[in-house]
Amino acid sequence: NAGVTQTPKFRVLKTGQSMTLLCAQDMNHEYMYWYRQDPGMGLRLIHYSVGEGTTAKGEVPDGYNVSRLKKQNFLLGLESAAPSQTSVYFCASSWTDYYEQYFGPGTRLTVT
Amino acid sequence: KNEVEQSPQNLTAQEGEFITINCSYSVGISALHWLQQHPGGGIVSLFMLSSGKKKHGRLIATINIQEKHSSLHITASHPRDSAVYICAVSSNTGNQFYFGTGTSLTVIP
Repeated sequence: NAGVTQTPKFRVLKTGQSMTLLCAQDMNHEYMYWYRQDPGMGLRLIHYSVGEGTTAKGEVPDGYNVSRLKKQNFLLGLESAAPSQTSVYFCASSWTDYYEQYFGPGTRLTVT
Repeated sequence: KNEVEQSPQNLTAQEGEFITINCSYSVGISALHWLQQHPGGGIVSLFMLSSGKKKHGRLIATINIQEKHSSLHITASHPRDSAVYICAVSSNTGNQFYFGTGTSLTVIP
């Protein structure tokens, strides 16, 4: 039982490049979330999903897209990376929006 | 505007001390969460509560819904408790989450 996994763990991109971050959970959770964490700021919600095939915008969705084609996977895409997207990205999953969230180990992304 | 405020931002304690971290929030909530983030970066959920008090080992979390305030207490603190503690709330308007900026705790042997 791996819980929530994220790939990759680290990535360096040049401005304008694209990439996809993968989040996978094996707990059959309906809800999945993508957050970013920046120094001096709390975790901020980028996008979330309340079930397979659904996605919704969070607090800071601009510059990101997501997809949830399978219940266990939640993908975060950056179509044209910008230095402002340098951050640590966390994925999380939960049964519902008010239940305990289980977090992945994080992905450290640097955009130069 | 910060929907969730934590205090203190930084806290240093001697091993064995009783520690309190406070969290105030300004929105209606369905639940409040306390999270722990270790220096390696991983985040784990410590408590989820919507009323009263919960205890797990040396950790105690309380919430006062009327005052929109929660506290996390650590009894007999230990160096392994050194971490960032994050307060978060699930809004009762649905699918909105707000996080505090965290309290960095260092426990000195």
